Amino acid sequence: SQTIHQWPATLVQPVGSPLSLECTVEGTSNPNLYWYRQAAGRGLQLLFYSVGIGQISSEVPQNLSASRPQDRQFILSSKKLLLSDSGFYLCAWSVPGTGTLQHFGDGTRLSIL
Amino acid sequence: QKEVEQDPGPLSVPEGAIVSLNCTYSNSAFQYFMWYRQYSRKGPELLMYTYSSGNKEDGRFTAQVDKSSKYISLFIRDSQPSDSATYLCAMSPANQAGTALIFGKGTTLSVSS
Repeated sequence: SQTIHQWPATLVQPVGSPLSLECTVEGTSNPNLYWYRQAAGRGLQLLFYSVGIGQISSEVPQNLSASRPQDRQFILSSKKLLLSDSGFYLCAWSVPGTGTLQHFGDGTRLSIL
Repeated sequence: QKEVEQDPGPLSVPEGAIVSLNCTYSNSAFQYFMWYRQYSRKGPELLMYTYSSGNKEDGRFTAQVDKSSKYISLFIRDSQPSDSATYLCAMSPANQAGTALIFGKGTTLSVSS
């Protein structure tokens, strides 16, 4: 069966510091991978998606970037965090060639001080 | 008008009650409709998946889609305290890789024993 892992679960960072969140998927090959942000009182917002190694699509302009160095690894990064980057960051995957059945990890709660 | 509207609740019911959760949407191109359950500090878990109009049943859960009214529902029969969570509707116009799901903000449900 497929599993998705995200870490860390919780992170507190000062404004201006860098960020690296990691997501890995097991049990499937060439998954589609997604990064979402869930802010308090707002719905989930798609930030990035990837259909293959090195292929990244950005949905919204922001202070964040994503990379996919390996087939089942997806990384969310920032060089300098802003207060507005606080939120719950969720990674998801879907079967190759499809996009609607997305399965989520347990997220990283990021607080910026 | 927002693409997807969902009453945030909270909705409180006694154990054993029938629960009705609803979303309305404005984009007539939506064809795929999902319901996710999200426990506190966890990622969303896919509950139900429906393509186009109609009903789908899975155990105590029934999903309904009425495309003519742009209205979807999730019914929970014989509700249990373990059903206490936030329920998110999500929808998409296509099933292509990289599809951005459009989420409602979620309805918080509390089932008391």
